[in-house]
Amino acid sequence: SAVISQKPSRDICQRGTSLTIQCQVDSQVTMMFWYRQQPGQSLTLIATANQGSEATYESGFVIDKFPISRPNLTFSTLTVSNMSPEDSSIYLCSVEADFSYEQYFGPGTRLTVT
Amino acid sequence: GENVEQHPSTLSVQEGDSAVIKCTYSDSASNYFPWYKQELGKRPQLIIDIRSNVGEKKDQRIAVTLNKTAKHFSLHITETQPEDSAVYFCAASKTGYALNFGKGTSLLVTP
Repeated sequence: SAVISQKPSRDICQRGTSLTIQCQVDSQVTMMFWYRQQPGQSLTLIATANQGSEATYESGFVIDKFPISRPNLTFSTLTVSNMSPEDSSIYLCSVEADFSYEQYFGPGTRLTVT
Repeated sequence: GENVEQHPSTLSVQEGDSAVIKCTYSDSASNYFPWYKQELGKRPQLIIDIRSNVGEKKDQRIAVTLNKTAKHFSLHITETQPEDSAVYFCAASKTGYALNFGKGTSLLVTP
């Protein structure tokens, strides 16, 4: 399985500011995804990040609020913009291993907005 | 889009008993069905998966069954142990697409 790291692991941010979360994979992968998991809840897909093209956002998530970059096949960033307390959550990246259906998750970024 | 229903939301069993978690999906084009275990404060961990061309798969104490006609799949854990206590998520997807998750089942195994 791929080794996935995320930075930061946690952060406490003030309302109205932005935070960029990084996701690094130890091998090249085509498909990367960003999920949000609110406390005690399931995982909700924010967007699919493909290298060389615009991210594809799910209903309820917009590019202005959650801009995503995917500059190469091992790295992606998710920015949470103009944060409010409702954005407090765990943000996870995941990758689909090439030539496999399997998807693996990064350790997550725990965000608290005050 | 795909809708995944998962039951029960909580499950308590005694150590050594079996646990069964069931999921249904709505999109007949889904062809991949993984199960994840998430311990408190940890990332979801893939424990077993099944593809649509297979009806059953087993890995030691864990098994998954798939009924494509009825569009449901189940996770079976035998001889449960306290370390099996966690939240389990089922998911469904099509190749190259993101996972659609169920709401999760909180499993508690009591000694």
